[in-house]
Amino acid sequence: AQSVTQLGSHVSVSEGALVLLRCNYSSSVPPYLFWYVQYPNQGLQLLLKYTSAATLVKGINGFEAEFKKSETSFHLTKPSAHMSDAAEYFCAVSESIYTGANSKLTFGKGITLSVRP
Amino acid sequence: DAGVTQSPTHLIKTRGQQVTLRCSPKSGHDTVSWYQQALGQGPQFIFQYYEEEERQRGNFPDRFSGHQFPNYSSELNVNALLLGDSALYLCASSPGISGNTIYFGEGSWLTVV
Repeated sequence: AQSVTQLGSHVSVSEGALVLLRCNYSSSVPPYLFWYVQYPNQGLQLLLKYTSAATLVKGINGFEAEFKKSETSFHLTKPSAHMSDAAEYFCAVSESIYTGANSKLTFGKGITLSVRP
Repeated sequence: DAGVTQSPTHLIKTRGQQVTLRCSPKSGHDTVSWYQQALGQGPQFIFQYYEEEERQRGNFPDRFSGHQFPNYSSELNVNALLLGDSALYLCASSPGISGNTIYFGEGSWLTVV
């Protein structure tokens, strides 16, 4: 079984500050990992994904995440926060291609990012 | 290139009624999955359709059923609605059952009163 833990439900940063959103996963097979963003009253938009290639993954809007197998983590970072980054962020895990079922996602509970002027 | 499209965007139903939600996958995608997102929670996997068959199912009762059509579009049906079924229902599509490029639609907001 796979699971995702996103510690803390709310993170607040100042505009221009570093954004760090934490994600830890549990998976019995090599995982695929994803970060999605959800703006109010909208669906999910894919920020980035890790699929067993480079451990440092760059996504859209200046976000990146690093896969650390030893720590079972996939934390999301952005060097400088912008007001438009305020949204809900979800980390998700799926089984790898080895199981042929990697399009089923298990999500964490999400983290609300607020950006102060 | 149209992404994943869902309809309706909002609807209100009464307890005990039935509802049908619809999804058209992104062009080139043949696998459709449905998720339920309750307020303040992460999405939860309901089921996945590929080649017009249900391939995987999450921990949801039989009141939740679905269908996939030859053009890959899909429907989610929920019978005997409960207040707890109120949620955002998200459709996701991917290219093949092993596809890891998973895109979501805007969702259908269901309110049960």
